[in-house]
Amino acid sequence: AQKVTQAQTEISVVEKEDVTLDCVYETRDTTYYLFWYKQPPSGELVFLIRRNSFDEQNEISGRYSWNFQKSTSSFNFTITASQVVDSAVYFCALRGNTGTASKLTFGTGTRLQVTL
Amino acid sequence: DTGVSQDPRHKITKRGQNVTFRCDPISEHNRLYWYRQTLGQGPEFLTYFQNEAQLEKSRLLSDRFSAERPKGSFSTLEIQRTEQGDSAMYLCASSSKGGNSGNTIYFGEGSWLTVV
Repeated sequence: AQKVTQAQTEISVVEKEDVTLDCVYETRDTTYYLFWYKQPPSGELVFLIRRNSFDEQNEISGRYSWNFQKSTSSFNFTITASQVVDSAVYFCALRGNTGTASKLTFGTGTRLQVTL
Repeated sequence: DTGVSQDPRHKITKRGQNVTFRCDPISEHNRLYWYRQTLGQGPEFLTYFQNEAQLEKSRLLSDRFSAERPKGSFSTLEIQRTEQGDSAMYLCASSSKGGNSGNTIYFGEGSWLTVV
């Protein structure tokens, strides 16, 4: 069975603060894929990043960065210098490579509120 | 706009009525998925198609639910004899060709269903 845990239900920060969203996953697959999605109030899930299990290199994209640590089964997401437009619910998701290989298992999400 | 589109975006129906949602995937994506999301939860997998074949159905998909993708392009999700517990957002998603299960899944804006 696959599982994704996002222990932080809600985080509030003031604009320009850095914030890290935690994601811990469980899977028996040796090859798997991790994702982060952003869900603004409109409801659409916006793809942010995909990481393969065999590539532990961290990634930076503008103000966003991701820290993948296989040893601790974590895939954390950091927003640097947060902005009000970053306010949304963020989901971490896992996709295995066996069984229903196409199925995404989501965490329960972390609601980020960025205020002025 | 070449993203995943869903229709209608919002639907309010009386308990016992049937409803149908439509999804148009990204052009040439051969995989199409339906997910359901309730308030405060992450999306949960319902079913997926590869071309016109429905390859997987979740236990969440009761007998009252039926999904089709007759020509391998758009898909419909029908809920018969709706119940209040069916109130949720129904998300459609698609992914590109190829056997790589890591291919990114792109989501639509969702169809909100309220059963009164």
